[in-house]
Amino acid sequence: SQTIHQWPATLVQPVGSPLSLECTVEGTSNPNLYWYRQAAGRGLQLLFYSVGIGQISSEVPQNLSASRPQDRQFILSSKKLLLSDSGFYLCAWGLLGTTKETQYFGPGTRLLVL
Amino acid sequence: RKEVEQDPGPFNVPEGATVAFNCTYSNSASQSFFWYRQDCRKEPKLLMSVYSSGNEDGRFTAQLNRASQYISLLIRDSKLSDSATYLCVVTLNTGGFKTIFGAGTRLFVKA
Repeated sequence: SQTIHQWPATLVQPVGSPLSLECTVEGTSNPNLYWYRQAAGRGLQLLFYSVGIGQISSEVPQNLSASRPQDRQFILSSKKLLLSDSGFYLCAWGLLGTTKETQYFGPGTRLLVL
Repeated sequence: RKEVEQDPGPFNVPEGATVAFNCTYSNSASQSFFWYRQDCRKEPKLLMSVYSSGNEDGRFTAQLNRASQYISLLIRDSKLSDSATYLCVVTLNTGGFKTIFGAGTRLFVKA
């Protein structure tokens, strides 16, 4: 069966520090991968998605970037965090690549920027 | 106008009550529809897909009205464990495809 891992689970970082969040998927090949952010009491905002190694699409311009160095690994990064980067970061995977695709989420990383 | 709008909530209901969640979407090109459940401080999890003919899974019934661009979720005989946020999700074909999550409606079921 497929599983998705994210780490760390919780992170507290100072403003201006770098960020690296990692997501890995097991039990499937060539998944579509997604990074979302959920601010407190708000809906999910799609940040990036990837349909293959090295292929990244950005949905919202901001100081974050994403990379997919391996088929089942998706990394979210920032060179300098802002206060507004605080939130719940969720990685998700899906397979169909069509409008019928169901997305499955990892446990998330809760980021607090101080 | 938001692409996917849900009742702002929260809903506070007693155990055993029937509760209905409503969702509207703005893009008529929307093609697939889902309800997800998100527990407090946890990730969203798929509750059920929504089919054009409507579908039922135990106490949960989902319906779709394409003409009105409206989706609903009905929970019958609500349990304490149903307390969560319910997210309406729509995917549409944009050349590729795009998945849009509603902001969610929080449900509290009380004894």
